[in-house]
Amino acid sequence: AQKVTQAQTEISVVEKEDVTLDCVYETRDTTYYLFWYKQPPSGELVFLIRRNSFDEQNEISGRYSWNFQKSTSSFNFTITASQVVDSAVYFCALSEAAGGKLIFGQGTELSVKP
Amino acid sequence: SAVISQKPSRDICQRGTSLTIQCQVDSQVTMMFWYRQQPGQSLTLIATANQGSEATYESGFVIDKFPISRPNLTFSTLTVSNMSPEDSSIYLCSARRLAGVDNEQFFGPGTRLTVL
Repeated sequence: AQKVTQAQTEISVVEKEDVTLDCVYETRDTTYYLFWYKQPPSGELVFLIRRNSFDEQNEISGRYSWNFQKSTSSFNFTITASQVVDSAVYFCALSEAAGGKLIFGQGTELSVKP
Repeated sequence: SAVISQKPSRDICQRGTSLTIQCQVDSQVTMMFWYRQQPGQSLTLIATANQGSEATYESGFVIDKFPISRPNLTFSTLTVSNMSPEDSSIYLCSARRLAGVDNEQFFGPGTRLTVL
């Protein structure tokens, strides 16, 4: 069965600190997709990244970076020089290649204090 | 990506009544889904809305409680029937294209439902 685990329920940092959000997944599929979403206090779900199982290259987008390690079934998300606007709940999710439905982790609530 | 709108954005309903939530996508998509997010929780898939046929429900969700329609490739509705306070949640519509490399899954803004 597919499963996503975000062991960190809440993280609190001070502005400008770097922070890493952990995500560990389980799947028997050889082809799958991993996602990160941000849910700010307003409630909408904001897409951040999609990574397929064949692409293990790390990705950087501005202050955001993602580390995909198939060997440890992890897809961790790092925010560099965090800002107050980064405060939100972050969800990691997994989907089968063709099925489309997402299995979400429990979410990590990030609080960035000024 | 596509833009998804949902109506209503929020509602307060009485126990025993039903509410139908509409989801409109601005372009044709292959797959549409309905998720529920209970207060302080993660998202749970209710069902996959299939165009022109019955929805595919996940374990723990049944058609009598959550009837779903999808008459075309851009529109779907979810009804929450015979509501109780336990149905108070955010209900999110989601859509995904499977063509080519565009596998982004995008979400509507959600419908915040409170049942008294």
